[in-house]
Amino acid sequence: TQLLEQSPQFLSIQEGENLTVYCNSSSVFSSLQWYRQEPGEGPVLLVTVVTGGEVKKLKRLTFQFGDARKDSSLHITAAQPGDTGLYLCAGARTGNQFYFGTGTSLTVIP
Amino acid sequence: NAGVTQTPKFQVLKTGQSMTLQCAQDMNHNSMYWYRQDPGMGLRLIYYSASEGTTDKGEVPNGYNVSRLNKREFSLRLESAAPSQTSVYFCASSSRTGGDYGYTFGSGTRLTVV
Repeated sequence: TQLLEQSPQFLSIQEGENLTVYCNSSSVFSSLQWYRQEPGEGPVLLVTVVTGGEVKKLKRLTFQFGDARKDSSLHITAAQPGDTGLYLCAGARTGNQFYFGTGTSLTVIP
Repeated sequence: NAGVTQTPKFQVLKTGQSMTLQCAQDMNHNSMYWYRQDPGMGLRLIYYSASEGTTDKGEVPNGYNVSRLNKREFSLRLESAAPSQTSVYFCASSSRTGGDYGYTFGSGTRLTVV
């Protein structure tokens, strides 16, 4: 059983469209991170959110941490082919471990 | 370029063989981690080292051992490889453990056990 469930698992959209991916859990996390992973490479950190209700923006990407710190969303505006990749959320609980979700594989078609 | 370096990038082993995956970081990070990534399972923590001289088990430690050789290097050893250990292995580091500190990942080792 995964501690963090991501949806959708796969997403294929046209360039210019908007999209939202979700990261959900029944557990509370002290913080949550989003990573993007390209084929053959390791994940690269995009953002860390630590406060319930927090919203962070990174150019066309908007990240939100749920008020109860159990879930998060990533919204991409006007998607571009360069956004293609595997998006992973990772939540931190007490102690030293992060728990990773299974990821959302995004393909943006030119 | 600064970052996390993993060797080798690819490896094929026969069942029962042993090998060591090497990882080195040049960011003066205190904490280092080994993960495996399998389709549909996400990234799962094998072992981590919160600081030089300490190591702890993660979610899936069975069949693996680790050594924190110094602050820069953290190796993962498979003593007797099994087909279930076929996976992509990632090493990561962070300045400290804890939720506010992001991970820097290496580019991975793709291991096949036949």
